[in-house]
Amino acid sequence: AQSVTQLDSHVSVSEGTPVLLRCNYSSSYSPSLFWYVQHPNKGLQLLLKYTSAATLVKGINGFEAEFKKSETSFHLTKPSAHMSDAAEYFCVVSDNDYKLSFGAGTTVTVRA
Amino acid sequence: NAGVTQTPKFQVLKTGQSMTLQCAQDMNHEYMSWYRQDPGMGLRLIHYSVGAGITDQGEVPNGYNVSRSTTEDFPLRLLSAAPSQTSVYFCASHRETGELFFGEGSRLTVL
Repeated sequence: AQSVTQLDSHVSVSEGTPVLLRCNYSSSYSPSLFWYVQHPNKGLQLLLKYTSAATLVKGINGFEAEFKKSETSFHLTKPSAHMSDAAEYFCVVSDNDYKLSFGAGTTVTVRA
Repeated sequence: NAGVTQTPKFQVLKTGQSMTLQCAQDMNHEYMSWYRQDPGMGLRLIHYSVGAGITDQGEVPNGYNVSRSTTEDFPLRLLSAAPSQTSVYFCASHRETGELFFGEGSRLTVL
């Protein structure tokens, strides 16, 4: 069985400072891991994905995530937050191709 | 490129009414899914399909039916709406091991 825990329900940062969103997963297999972003009243958009290639994954808009098997973590980071990064972020795990498990989400607020 | 199209975007129902949420994709993806999004719970899988004629239950299937007669369409039917089904519903499609493409959501309120 697969599951995801996002350790922070809400993160608040100042514009220009780093962002860290924490995600731990549980999986019986070698999982695929994803981060999605959802802006208000919109659908979800893929930020990045890990599928057993390089453990440091670079995504869109300056985000990156590191897969750490020993810690079962897949934390998302960005060196410098922008106002447009204010959104909800979901960590997602998949043991197979068609059933995904979503974390509860982390809401990011960016202060000017 | 339309991607994934969901209709309607908003719907208000009375308890006991039935309705169908429509989902269509034009990317020839094999896999399609329906999720519901509730505050603090992320997205939960209702039903999914791995190809035309094949559907299966997800995490929260009760009260919902689906069918997949074509690759493009994957409607979600609420048989007898209940207030607990008030939610935002998302349809998604993808290829094997691929990125999920989401529709913009359908916001349903059941009174």
